[in-house]
Amino acid sequence: GAVVSQHPSRVICKSGTSVKIECRSLDFQATTMFWYRQFPKQSLMLMATSNEGSKATYEQGVEKDKFLINHASLTLSTLTVTSAHPEDSSFYICSAVNSAYGYTFGSGTRLTVV
Amino acid sequence: DQQVKQNSPSLSVQEGRISILNCDYTNSMFDYFLWYKKYPAEGPTFLISISSIKDKNEDGRFTVFLNKSAKHLSLHIVPSQPGDSAVYFCAASGNTDKLIFGTGTRLQVFP
Repeated sequence: GAVVSQHPSRVICKSGTSVKIECRSLDFQATTMFWYRQFPKQSLMLMATSNEGSKATYEQGVEKDKFLINHASLTLSTLTVTSAHPEDSSFYICSAVNSAYGYTFGSGTRLTVV
Repeated sequence: DQQVKQNSPSLSVQEGRISILNCDYTNSMFDYFLWYKKYPAEGPTFLISISSIKDKNEDGRFTVFLNKSAKHLSLHIVPSQPGDSAVYFCAASGNTDKLIFGTGTRLQVFP
């Protein structure tokens, strides 16, 4: 079946630094990927839609300058949390959608900003 | 504005019995619905889906029912097993590929 690899699985960074999270579709091409964020005991909130070769589409309330998304190829999307602050600490999950495999999720990244 | 809601944050069921998880949605444009199982610090695992042209879909122990007029869907797990203990999310999509998740229900299956 389809596999989406997300890396790193967990990261701790200092406040004010930037962190990059990678999401790769390993055996299929994904023109569209999605980035979600989950706070403890809450739902997965859609942050943005990542489109290969074009700008990402952000959901209302998500700062595009803070959460930079790049979808440079059909198998890779990256989310960069810029100038991270403790309130950005969360669980970030990517998802790739493909007509053959439907939605496939990465294993998530737990970000802790100290 | 929570377009997909799961009103029961938790559910406790005895092993062997039926687990029924409910989900309500408000957006009439949603036409595809999915259920996911999730453990802490992991990505969601797909369980079962249903298109709006159907009212029931079954896969092994899992059955999803869709009531479009009530904008309600439910997931039935029978028989429930201890390994089913997890958080369950329903999700919906419409004319875009965006998946909107519900608030989740924590299922605990006890022996």
